[in-house]
Amino acid sequence: AQSVTQLDSQVPVFEEAPVELRCNYSSSVSVYLFWYVQYPNQGLQLLLKYLSGSTLVESINGFEAEFNKSQTSFHLRKPSVHISDTAEYFCAVSDLGTGRRALTFGSGTRLQVQP
Amino acid sequence: DGGITQSPKYLFRKEGQNVTLSCEQNLNHDAMYWYRQDPGQGLRLIYYSQIVNDFQKGDIAEGYSVSREKKESFPLTVTSAQKNPTAFYLCASSIKGSGANVLTFGAGSRLTVL
Repeated sequence: AQSVTQLDSQVPVFEEAPVELRCNYSSSVSVYLFWYVQYPNQGLQLLLKYLSGSTLVESINGFEAEFNKSQTSFHLRKPSVHISDTAEYFCAVSDLGTGRRALTFGSGTRLQVQP
Repeated sequence: DGGITQSPKYLFRKEGQNVTLSCEQNLNHDAMYWYRQDPGQGLRLIYYSQIVNDFQKGDIAEGYSVSREKKESFPLTVTSAQKNPTAFYLCASSIKGSGANVLTFGAGSRLTVL
């Protein structure tokens, strides 16, 4: 069964510092990869996705993630964070090798941006 | 505005009672999903449906039931057989159930068992 591992449950960082949220997945075939963000007491919103093509994908608010097939990773990065980036971030995978047509999510990483 | 509406937002239940969480979408999406969110465990898939009158079990379907009689609606019933039902429940939908499609989420329903 596919699985997604987010190695850090919480990441505290100062405003304007860079951040990396790590995500690894288990799969032996092609995958689609996603990052979603959740603000308190809300549903999740798509941040960015990798389906095919360039392994580096970017969001409109400065986040980027790089698909690394050899390391089965899809880490999320931002060069300079803002207070408003404080939220929980979820990595998710859709494994094309299974008949399952639903995303598998990681356990989440809570990003805490401090002034 | 198009979106997903979940109700109620908060629900309290006594042990032994069944409760039904509502999920309605006006996005004309074919696929709908129910996830359960617990602190430190992320989202776990309960059930999903790719088309009307069809649905599949997810990873933690025991103690839950669903129906998909209309394209717009995918209600989730938490039965008394669910051992630990206190959680945040999220409904989502996508255009198709292809795995490549982006999920649109509702705002969630928080169920507390007293």
